[in-house]
Amino acid sequence: DGGITQSPKYLFRKEGQNVTLSCEQNLNHDAMYWYRQDPGQGLRLIYYSQIVNDFQKGDIAEGYSVSREKKESFPLTVTSAQKNPTAFYLCASSKWDGRDQPQHFGDGTRLSIL
Amino acid sequence: QKEVEQNSGPLSVPEGAIASLNCTYSDRGSQSFFWYRQYSGKSPELIMSIYSNGDKEDGRFTAQLNKASQYVSLLIRDSQPSDSATYLCAVGIGGSYIPTFGRGTSLIVHP
Repeated sequence: DGGITQSPKYLFRKEGQNVTLSCEQNLNHDAMYWYRQDPGQGLRLIYYSQIVNDFQKGDIAEGYSVSREKKESFPLTVTSAQKNPTAFYLCASSKWDGRDQPQHFGDGTRLSIL
Repeated sequence: QKEVEQNSGPLSVPEGAIASLNCTYSDRGSQSFFWYRQYSGKSPELIMSIYSNGDKEDGRFTAQLNKASQYVSLLIRDSQPSDSATYLCAVGIGGSYIPTFGRGTSLIVHP
């Protein structure tokens, strides 16, 4: 079955540590996205990519980095510069065909500070 | 600044009733509208997409779009306790590929 796989499901970060969240999709979607969701809050866009080797900052990119070396993969690194990283991180993907297409989400990664 | 507004709720309805969830948006150029359901602790899942004025039905769900009044709504007929979740509205302006999400409305269906 096609879908989006995020790993790990839970992640703990120590002070000063960088951590990387994995996102893989086999839907053959061109566009991929990373969102952050805090309790009781909506989705906030961190980064997005519409094509391999290209990505754009979203609304809250500071303290995060991404890469898009393969169409299927869009890993997110939470750096030590992100002082409040505790949140639910969601990866999504969508078609990109000149018309707004719905996003499909992975199961998410819950990141906490140790 | 594109804005998508939803009443945070909770909206409480009895089992078997019709739940009506509303969403308003600020950008008159908006062209695509999506409803997602998010259970507590889980990721959003797509319920409906609607692009044209009027109603679109899928099972117990009906999306209603009124571009002149800049609102989109989701009706859930014969509500079940399993429908209890947060419902997110997302609006796209066409060509941007990055829809703007509302904060969601919490729905509680009580037996």
